[in-house]
Amino acid sequence: LAKTTQPISMDSYEGQEVNITCSHNNIATNDYITWYQQFPSQGPRFIIQGYKTKVTNEVASLFIPADRKSSTLSLPRVSLSDTAVYYCLVEGTGGFKTIFGAGTRLFVKA
Amino acid sequence: NAGVMQNPRHLVRRRGQEARLRCSPMKGHSHVYWYRQLPEEGLKFMVYLQKENIIDESGMPKERFSAEFPKEGPSILRIQQVVRGDSAAYFCASSPRGRRSSYNEQFFGPGTRLTVL
Repeated sequence: LAKTTQPISMDSYEGQEVNITCSHNNIATNDYITWYQQFPSQGPRFIIQGYKTKVTNEVASLFIPADRKSSTLSLPRVSLSDTAVYYCLVEGTGGFKTIFGAGTRLFVKA
Repeated sequence: NAGVMQNPRHLVRRRGQEARLRCSPMKGHSHVYWYRQLPEEGLKFMVYLQKENIIDESGMPKERFSAEFPKEGPSILRIQQVVRGDSAAYFCASSPRGRRSSYNEQFFGPGTRLTVL
């Protein structure tokens, strides 16, 4: 199972773009990358998922380089309500476990 | 379409008692996952179930813990003879497709916070 490494915490200000990078050096061919967001006292919420190149939805973009050994979650113009823990996961279609790391605590300041 | 439901939201037990945590997946979802989260830590996978079957319980402690997902009714995570170390938030998630499907999004419930006195 691929292990992920991401920064423990990040600070930002309202209106800025935030990029959180996750390393997954031993990602396998059939693995895909998923990001979740978790607010205090709530369950995680799916943000975005991708396999390669770039994926964009209404809340974020996910950039995955050609070697897929890392990925970057991009949050455009963050607001105070984006303060949360962001988890990067690598999951394979051949496996059953979902491994959550410690996540990145994002603090958005006014 | 209601989301994943978990009850109770808070559960207090004394050491040695049993704890039963319930999870109703989203409508149409037949795959359920249970996770445990200690304060300031990430979620730890416990068990993955499909209707009436345990697919992977490799994250479940060997003793005192069990899970089921019957044909009818919610999934149950059962902890017997609870100890203080069992105090944690327990999250349930459901998905419409199993782990062997690509792009499988999990939908999480609000969690049950278990406190063992």
